[in-house]
Amino acid sequence: EAQVTQNPRYLITVTGKKLTVTCSQNMNHEYMSWYRQDPGLGLRQIYYSMNVEVTDKGDVPEGYKVSRKEKRNFPLILESPSPNQTSLYFCASSSWDSVTEAFFGQGTRLTVV
Amino acid sequence: ELKVEQNPLFLSMQEGKNYTIYCNYSTTSDRLYWYRQDPGKSLESLFVLLSNGAVKQEGRLMASLDTKARLSTLHITAAVHDLSATYFCAVDPSLSGSARQLTFGSGTQLTVLP
Repeated sequence: EAQVTQNPRYLITVTGKKLTVTCSQNMNHEYMSWYRQDPGLGLRQIYYSMNVEVTDKGDVPEGYKVSRKEKRNFPLILESPSPNQTSLYFCASSSWDSVTEAFFGQGTRLTVV
Repeated sequence: ELKVEQNPLFLSMQEGKNYTIYCNYSTTSDRLYWYRQDPGKSLESLFVLLSNGAVKQEGRLMASLDTKARLSTLHITAAVHDLSATYFCAVDPSLSGSARQLTFGSGTQLTVLP
């Protein structure tokens, strides 16, 4: 089954404690992205990757890092989380073929206290 | 900066009625996507609109795209309770497309009342 898998689904952490949210896709997609969803703001892109070792900033990259060492994986790293990064995070993947949509993971609800 | 505006943001409608959700965007793009999100769930793709004049229909939902007016509509026909969800439109203005840099509207929270 084609899917984008994120882990963990829920995470509560303390300010300043480094964390990583993993994302993996099994569709051999070239493009992967991270979004955060906040009430009233829709989804905003944090980072995206066009292929292995190629990443670029989205609209709200501050406080986040990403890496793409393998085509299927695109982890999101928060080196020093702060309460304003409390949000619902989604990973997405899409193909270079522009006729298809982006596929989203199940989401990771992060709370930073 | 690309802006995507949906309206209404909240919509309550009676079962059996028709209504339209509007999505306006501020820059040239011929690719627009509609997604559905149920509470606590991920985003489910509804429609991919790839050219001016594109129209797609699935069940009681029909989406259209007018790239000249920078407007997409999602029309709901004879609403049923199962359509209650939040609907998002999203635009990808990048030249290569591929849904890699989506800018989303704020979403329309639809509640269908019996």
